[in-house]
Amino acid sequence: DIQMTQSPSSLSASVGDRVTITCRASQNINNYLNWYQQKPGKAPKLLIYAASSLHSGVPSTFSGSGSGTDFTLTISSLQPEDFATYYCQQSYSAPRTFGPGTKVEIK
Amino acid sequence: EVQLVESGGGLVQPGGSLRLSCAASGFAVSSNFMTWVRQAPGKGLEWVSLIYSHSTTYYADSVRGRFSISRDNSKNTVYLQMDSLRIEDSAVYYCAREPAAASAYYFDHWGQGTLVTVSS
Repeated sequence: DIQMTQSPSSLSASVGDRVTITCRASQNINNYLNWYQQKPGKAPKLLIYAASSLHSGVPSTFSGSGSGTDFTLTISSLQPEDFATYYCQQSYSAPRTFGPGTKVEIK
Repeated sequence: EVQLVESGGGLVQPGGSLRLSCAASGFAVSSNFMTWVRQAPGKGLEWVSLIYSHSTTYYADSVRGRFSISRDNSKNTVYLQMDSLRIEDSAVYYCAREPAAASAYYFDHWGQGTLVTVSS
């Protein structure tokens, strides 16, 4: 099974900051990497699919990059509604696996 | 409009069984991949099971042999039969759609979740 890791596990940032979250796969997954945002008590929402494609309706302040084993989610200017937990997930093979999550908190 | 509505959660004793349902609208479950994902209280997301449009199924190691995913195309509903439940199976269970026609694979729509509590 493909293992996913994320760093950092949590971070504190201010509105307007640029935030970067990294995700690493235990083997080459090409670009089969997705990012989700989850707020407390809510279902996750798709942000980025295929490593760098922005899902419909997602603000352009979100972007993704990477290929192979190393990936990045960037929020170019953090907004109040962006404080949440972010998960990466590989869709290269089954079982699908998620990273452990990165909690973005208000500084 | 695509919608997923889970039901069937509740309180069950260790060793017991539950069947979760995920009623879909706005698309056909038979033409898509459908997944169950769970989240234990205060924990991260854990992928549980997947059924492909061609009916092949996959399971996480933690549930293989105890859980079974299926679908009823006439009811446009996906099920998760959970047997031999353990305390560590307690979680919110989400169903999600993975569009088969897409060039990539991702969970683009999620239900609101149903809570399963395994406790004596």
